[in-house]
Amino acid sequence: DTEVTQTPKHLVMGMTNKKSLKCEQHMGHRAMYWYKQKAKKPPELMFVYSYEKLSINESVPSRFSPECPNSSLLNLHLHALQPEDSALYLCASSKANTQAYGYTFGSGTRLTVV
Amino acid sequence: DAKTTQPPSMDCAEGRAANLPCNHSTISGNEYVYWYRQIHSQGPQYIIHGLKNNETNEMASLIITEDRKSSTLILPHATLRDTAVYYCIVSANNAGNMLTFGGGTRLMVKP
Repeated sequence: DTEVTQTPKHLVMGMTNKKSLKCEQHMGHRAMYWYKQKAKKPPELMFVYSYEKLSINESVPSRFSPECPNSSLLNLHLHALQPEDSALYLCASSKANTQAYGYTFGSGTRLTVV
Repeated sequence: DAKTTQPPSMDCAEGRAANLPCNHSTISGNEYVYWYRQIHSQGPQYIIHGLKNNETNEMASLIITEDRKSSTLILPHATLRDTAVYYCIVSANNAGNMLTFGGGTRLMVKP
């Protein structure tokens, strides 16, 4: 298995809803990442997990809450989002917290906040 | 991370070589050059990376100038499926150095 799987592919949520994005990989990678991408912009790093521990939080608002229950799974819990949070949310993984091996990205979850 | 400069867009005829330039004049000695691409509505895809020697794999070739201040990604025979945004990124290859994407080059391969 050489893929990063993200679910759901599309999500529409209200500003008072609570939802979660899921990311899964079975490549034995020990680093996992969340990126946010607005339309026609490059991806922006949100969080980094290394060996199931949060190692980087790029000053992301607390309405985004990451969780790494095990080495294969990464979640992003969403609560009280704003319409400007609508974006493509990308998950990635790598063999370790270095770049020598390249990152493998999922296809993303397209989130719309209404 | 050092910043990179890429042209915002380029066109290439199908079957011809696509040469995508990247300037990284402030690159440090321990920083690698990485290339990723993002096809519409998909996640970015790793293409190739290098330190100072030229590199080739099944997808592309990477030519890095001797002073390391610029590089060129070469797709030898571009196809319509190579239409994508191509990102050049420089970063040290050690823990704590994350991928930081710049604006990229939007490559359009035309029939």
